[in-house]
Amino acid sequence: ETGVTQSPTHLIKTRGQQVTLRCSSQSGHNTVSWYQQALGQGPQFIFQYYREEENGRGNFPPRFSGLQFPNYSSELNVNALELDDSALYLCASSVGRSNSPLHFGNGTRLTVT
Amino acid sequence: AQKVTQAQTEISVVEKEDVTLDCVYETRDTTYYLFWYKQPPSGELVFLIRRNSFDEQNEISGRYSWNFQKSTSSFNFTITASQVVDSAVYFCALPDSNYQLIWGAGTKLIIKP
Repeated sequence: ETGVTQSPTHLIKTRGQQVTLRCSSQSGHNTVSWYQQALGQGPQFIFQYYREEENGRGNFPPRFSGLQFPNYSSELNVNALELDDSALYLCASSVGRSNSPLHFGNGTRLTVT
Repeated sequence: AQKVTQAQTEISVVEKEDVTLDCVYETRDTTYYLFWYKQPPSGELVFLIRRNSFDEQNEISGRYSWNFQKSTSSFNFTITASQVVDSAVYFCALPDSNYQLIWGAGTKLIIKP
């Protein structure tokens, strides 16, 4: 069973640039959720994709967008990066729109300078 | 609205001591789930347990045990005979009506050799 994989592991960007983060879901999982975790804080929900459609969104501006592909992998795009976007971005996969446990990847550490 | 409180920001104990991490939650739902996740220094969030509000029996898994008390809205986590590898940040979480997890702020557990 392949777990959740995220790429890249680390990324350094300049304010105003755009970034794309990638996530491959665990085998058999059709739902992907993205979270932002600032240092010393709990994860904050960005959005979730279920069968290629957005299925819920947290309190994040439209410059945070995403995609889910037919193989259930997903991308998180952030435009016009701001210094406060520096964080660990976590992807989690699960089965369906339910209370099934989330399985997380190792995350992408984004630093915006 | 759902809320999860982990009042202990950081706990430090010596190896082999028992330690309890507290979690208090608020919800208006009559049925709900509660989760615990572990985040080691590597960054990946690891699912530990999911508990349904119908089931108030304590759960034990090896050195880990969970005490769910609906009357006090608490779902506490105890590690018996702690080990250095238990050092991590532990999160308690509660889904909202859209199945999105509401996370506590986390408790950083330090196990000293």
